[in-house]
Amino acid sequence: AQSVTQLDSQVPVFEEAPVELRCNYSSSVSVYLFWYVQYPNQGLQLLLKYLSGSTLVKGINGFEAEFNKSQTSFHLRKPSVHISDTAEYFCAVSDRGGANNLFFGTGTRLTVIP
Amino acid sequence: NAGVTQTPKFRVLKTGQSMTLLCAQDMNHEYMYWYRQDPGMGLRLIHYSVGEGTTAKGEVPDGYNVSRLKKQNFLLGLESAAPSQTSVYFCASCGLAGVLETQYFGPGTRLLVL
Repeated sequence: AQSVTQLDSQVPVFEEAPVELRCNYSSSVSVYLFWYVQYPNQGLQLLLKYLSGSTLVKGINGFEAEFNKSQTSFHLRKPSVHISDTAEYFCAVSDRGGANNLFFGTGTRLTVIP
Repeated sequence: NAGVTQTPKFRVLKTGQSMTLLCAQDMNHEYMYWYRQDPGMGLRLIHYSVGEGTTAKGEVPDGYNVSRLKKQNFLLGLESAAPSQTSVYFCASCGLAGVLETQYFGPGTRLLVL
């Protein structure tokens, strides 16, 4: 079975500062990894995904994440945040099964302070 | 192109009442999913479908039933609502390539069971 741990439930950061949102996963098989963002009162939107190849993945809105197999981590980073980045961020893992089922972490609320 | 839509947006039920949540997608996607989102627990998969006429149980299926009579629609039913089913429900869909495809989410349905 797969599981995802997001170590920080809330992360406050000042505008234009860098941010890292942490995600660790546990799985007995190879996985695909995802970061989704949820803006207030909206559905989830894909930020980026790791399927294979380069371990550094670039996504939308200037976000990137690095897959580290030895540490079973997939941390999300942005070098300079904007007010509009305030949202809930979810890390998810897929077991690569045919149904593409996703297992989500509990989420990290990023608050950007002016 | 509306993407994934959900009706209703918000509903209040009394314990024991029944209701059906409708998810519709106009992207000709094969796979569809129902998740529930609860505070501090992220999203959990209720049921999913890999094609018209097929359904399968996810992580938390008890108390829910689903049907996929048409490719574009995925219905989630609560036969006898319980307060524990108070949650935000999200529908998602993705194309035939499964894990290589992005899941697209609807805006959610907020359900309150009194």
